[in-house]
Amino acid sequence: KAGVTQTPRYLIKTRGQQVTLSCSPISGHRSVSWYQQTPGQGLQFLFEYFSETQRNKGNFPGRFSGRQFSNSRSEMNVSTLELGDSALYLCASSLAQGSLSYGYTFGSGTRLTVV
Amino acid sequence: SQQGEEDPQALSIQEGENATMNCSYKTSINNLQWYRQNSGRGLVHLILIRSNEREKHSGRLRVTLDTSKKSSSLLITASRAADTASYFCATGTGNQFYFGTGTSLTVIP
Repeated sequence: KAGVTQTPRYLIKTRGQQVTLSCSPISGHRSVSWYQQTPGQGLQFLFEYFSETQRNKGNFPGRFSGRQFSNSRSEMNVSTLELGDSALYLCASSLAQGSLSYGYTFGSGTRLTVV
Repeated sequence: SQQGEEDPQALSIQEGENATMNCSYKTSINNLQWYRQNSGRGLVHLILIRSNEREKHSGRLRVTLDTSKKSSSLLITASRAADTASYFCATGTGNQFYFGTGTSLTVIP
């Protein structure tokens, strides 16, 4: 079966612009999580969506937002981009049932560069 | 912080040797997972161990979990050059996970 698909793979944006990243989870996975990875901070949890509802949110400013559609596809948006937003953004889907987790399947990520 | 912390930060071994990485965490967990990441790519799930398990095997991987010490170890036996990657532990409850800073493993052919 197809893996987690993230688009685009690479993106260059200018400070102040906004960006939308897309993630299609594995078929049947209803949970989608987003992470930001930078050399200095490592993997930082952004948010998790399940059945179109945001269930958990990390410690990021309101410029970072997301949503999930009825087909479980998810998008995240970053507005008013800053140089520090340059990072690898990773999406992960999971077959989660209550408190049980079966691990994430990650996409290859979107490399965002803000200039 | 709820993040796990891996130790060592970097590890370099000869092909065929065993590699051991450790993870310590601070809060109660439902499960702990280990992931591998090749340079600049997404993470690959290796193994999940639940809080009521003490040891788990998968191929050349052996994971232990000591909830009393809030620590876990990942052992890769008979390492190969293809095992060169960063390894992360992830801890959490439900479906929210926190990743450590990772161990960078280099296997020298």
